[in-house]
Amino acid sequence: EPEVTQTPSHQVTQMGQEVILRCVPISNHLYFYWYRQILGQKVEFLVSFYNNEISEKSEIFDDQFSVERPDGSNFTLKIRSTKLEDSAMYFCASRPSGAYEQYFGPGTRLTVT
Amino acid sequence: DAKTTQPTSMDCAEGRAANLPCNHSTISGNEYVYWYRQIHSQGPQYIIHGLKNNETNEMASLIITEDRKSSTLILPHATLRDTAVYYCIVRVAGASGSRLTFGEGTQLTVNP
Repeated sequence: EPEVTQTPSHQVTQMGQEVILRCVPISNHLYFYWYRQILGQKVEFLVSFYNNEISEKSEIFDDQFSVERPDGSNFTLKIRSTKLEDSAMYFCASRPSGAYEQYFGPGTRLTVT
Repeated sequence: DAKTTQPTSMDCAEGRAANLPCNHSTISGNEYVYWYRQIHSQGPQYIIHGLKNNETNEMASLIITEDRKSSTLILPHATLRDTAVYYCIVRVAGASGSRLTFGEGTQLTVNP
């Protein structure tokens, strides 16, 4: 069964550094998402992406964040100048056209020190 | 999106049916009920969704009341691997961006 994959599983970075979190959505899916979950808190929506542009973003998704689909398979989340409060699990999700259930990857645990 | 209310936690014996309730009294006519779950530290997993008819798939059944103000997710034969947080989410299918808004959910613990 096709799955969303994410790399790395755990990323440790120093405050102020840039990180890129990578996702490979399910191959025939057209809609892509990033969510995050700070330890012990709710899963929070960050951004949705369709047809090579952002379709919706939350108030969390400020200028520090960017997303890109650099090729036909990868979907990336870049966090510039990381802060301690960016430490969280980051989940990528995708869905096909015509269906509204989203399929999530296993997540990347980002630790900012 | 309509607000949902779920119990904070529930317990269920292994092999028995787990019935997880969700109240969504302000649901609109074009809003669907979705259920996801999150096993500890993993990504959320889609379970099932419905509009007004009862739905069943290989994972679960979804029972929606006639007035659509509440629903119940049924796991017919719960196993230890079903221990997870279960989220009931109400939203318009196909809404722009189609973000999911997760609440606190119900922590279901399946006991041996």
